[in-house]
Amino acid sequence: AQTVTQSQPEMSVQEAETVTLSCTYDTSESDYYLFWYKQPPSRQMILVIRQEAYKQQNATENRFSVNFQKAAKSFSLKISDSQLGDAAMYFCAYSSNFNKFYFGSGTKLNVKP
Amino acid sequence: KAGVTQTPRYLIKTRGQQVTLSCSPISGHRSVSWYQQTPGQGLQFLFEYFSETQRNKGNFPGRFSGRQFSNSRSEMNVSTLELGDSALYLCASSGGPGQGSEQYFGPGTRLTVT
Repeated sequence: AQTVTQSQPEMSVQEAETVTLSCTYDTSESDYYLFWYKQPPSRQMILVIRQEAYKQQNATENRFSVNFQKAAKSFSLKISDSQLGDAAMYFCAYSSNFNKFYFGSGTKLNVKP
Repeated sequence: KAGVTQTPRYLIKTRGQQVTLSCSPISGHRSVSWYQQTPGQGLQFLFEYFSETQRNKGNFPGRFSGRQFSNSRSEMNVSTLELGDSALYLCASSGGPGQGSEQYFGPGTRLTVT
């Protein structure tokens, strides 16, 4: 069975600095997708970034980028120039079988002014 | 486009009762997934429907069931409620039938079982 592990329950970063959230996953499949979702205190989950496993190039969305290491089954999220609005729970997710998603336990990110 | 809507937003039920939650996906989306979110277990996949057919199911007891209507709206039903069913139930819709499609989440229904 697929599992997604986020080993950092909570992290803090100073505004304008860079922070990296870790995620590892376990799968025997070769074709899959990885996601980072953000859940602000208002509870609406929103997609941050998406990575196709068959693509070697790391995905980037403005200040958000990933470090995808397929062999190591690692998928970390880097947030550059952190802003107060980045404070939220961040969930790493894996999907292979149509829309069946597996989520990690989440990392709470605090941003200090 | 309107986002994913879920009703009701908050619900209080008594142990042993049953409850029905509703989810309206983004217009044009045919896939609807349901998740249970609790502080202890995190986000757990319940089931996914596409064009009125259940395609995927998580590891939940048979008390949890769902269905999808021809307009893609979906309902989730929990029978014989237990205290442990207290959770935030999230619905997500997707525009694509295949894997890798982005899921758009609703605000959730907060269910409290007393």
